[in-house]
Amino acid sequence: GESVGLHLPTLSVQEGDNSIINCAYSNSASDYFIWYKQESGKGPQFIIDIRSNMDKRQGQRVTVLLNKTVKHLSLQIAATQPGDSAVYFCAENRPGNTPLVFGKGTRLSVIA
Amino acid sequence: DGGITQSPKYLFRKEGQNVTLSCEQNLNHDAMYWYRQDPGQGLRLIYYSQIVNDFQKGDIAEGYSVSREKKESFPLTVTSAQKNPTAFYLCASNDRGLNTEAFFGQGTRLTVV
Repeated sequence: GESVGLHLPTLSVQEGDNSIINCAYSNSASDYFIWYKQESGKGPQFIIDIRSNMDKRQGQRVTVLLNKTVKHLSLQIAATQPGDSAVYFCAENRPGNTPLVFGKGTRLSVIA
Repeated sequence: DGGITQSPKYLFRKEGQNVTLSCEQNLNHDAMYWYRQDPGQGLRLIYYSQIVNDFQKGDIAEGYSVSREKKESFPLTVTSAQKNPTAFYLCASNDRGLNTEAFFGQGTRLTVV
């Protein structure tokens, strides 16, 4: 289930189940979105991206969905594995020459 | 191999001392960024630079300073004015003005002793 802890919200899933991590973004003019995975003690790694002219993009075991109407982004991980345990961040590229804006992050915990 | 390198991986600082964190990239990226991450929390932008010899403050610039004398390098100095410097520091880079992902270094964990 999903719970909000003192800091990052945590999503716990059974190994083999599908995971869905959600992200709300703030700027309706944002045109590019990225999902990152951060393992403990390491820097974030790129997982998948999507441009605003798309509403779905698939990678290997991952799918990103973009709903511009409600400014919502989700990351779906199929057949979740213990190695998927990490913190996942969404990032949005806002108009103008500004840095990527990162979401708060969600900790995914996979139960073997 | 192309990438972004942070050093050192671990750094200890006495209270009242300045310390400089290194960030080097060979990706030919124009833009570089410094983020701070506290335990169990997200990324907060300290400073960023979109071109050599120019940089801008992020959300939490107080107590930090940067320089961008070379395209490849964007060092961050944590000064004694930063009251709570213990954190995980991440450097990133990307192509300025393009819709491309930012590449991150592996981070430097700074501890004040």
